[in-house]
Amino acid sequence: GNSVTQMEGPVTLSEEAFLTINCTYTATGYPSLFWYVQYPGEGLQLLLKATKADDKGSNKGFEATYRKETTSFHLEKGSVQVSDSAVYFCALSDQPSGAQKLVFGQGTRLTINP
Amino acid sequence: GAVVSQHPSRVICKSGTSVKIECRSLDFQATTMFWYRQFPKQSLMLMATSNEGSKATYEQGVEKDKFLINHASLTLSTLTVTSAHPEDSSFYICSAIPGAANSNQPQHFGDGTRLSIL
Repeated sequence: GNSVTQMEGPVTLSEEAFLTINCTYTATGYPSLFWYVQYPGEGLQLLLKATKADDKGSNKGFEATYRKETTSFHLEKGSVQVSDSAVYFCALSDQPSGAQKLVFGQGTRLTINP
Repeated sequence: GAVVSQHPSRVICKSGTSVKIECRSLDFQATTMFWYRQFPKQSLMLMATSNEGSKATYEQGVEKDKFLINHASLTLSTLTVTSAHPEDSSFYICSAIPGAANSNQPQHFGDGTRLSIL
């Protein structure tokens, strides 16, 4: 079945550092890929998505590129801020919009220190 | 737009009681809602898919008699944890999809409910 594997956290960085959170997936067919962010005590918010190979999703300075050859969707940001501290989830779906079942990775807790 | 509200946000109750969690789509109608469970420092696990006017579809390993789901209107789904025990303590999150089933719209998530059973 489909699965998502993220790099283990927690990840702690200083403000303005470069961020990479690795995500790889296993799926049949051509899934859509997502990054969600969860701030403390809140539900999930969609951060970005990509629906086909070589697509790049971007939002709020974050970006991730759908790499079919390496089955990866790594999340990157050039200069993180304290407000980026949250848990980040990589996910996939058989539907481009994520309307059908979402399969989540285990989440990566990110802490940014001032 | 596309706001999903969960209530309560936090509940603490004694072992053996039943607890109802509400998930409402505030500014849209949703034929399909999902219920997830999140253990501490772990990912979200889909519990069930709730479709308005029909029985919920439960994921393998989820007890349907333990976790009762009702989706009686296009804006409200409820999850009732029956005869709750400490092992049911968790963070429960719902999501809703605007429009009809298979509408190809994204899921919108509620803020979650933290359930603690003493």
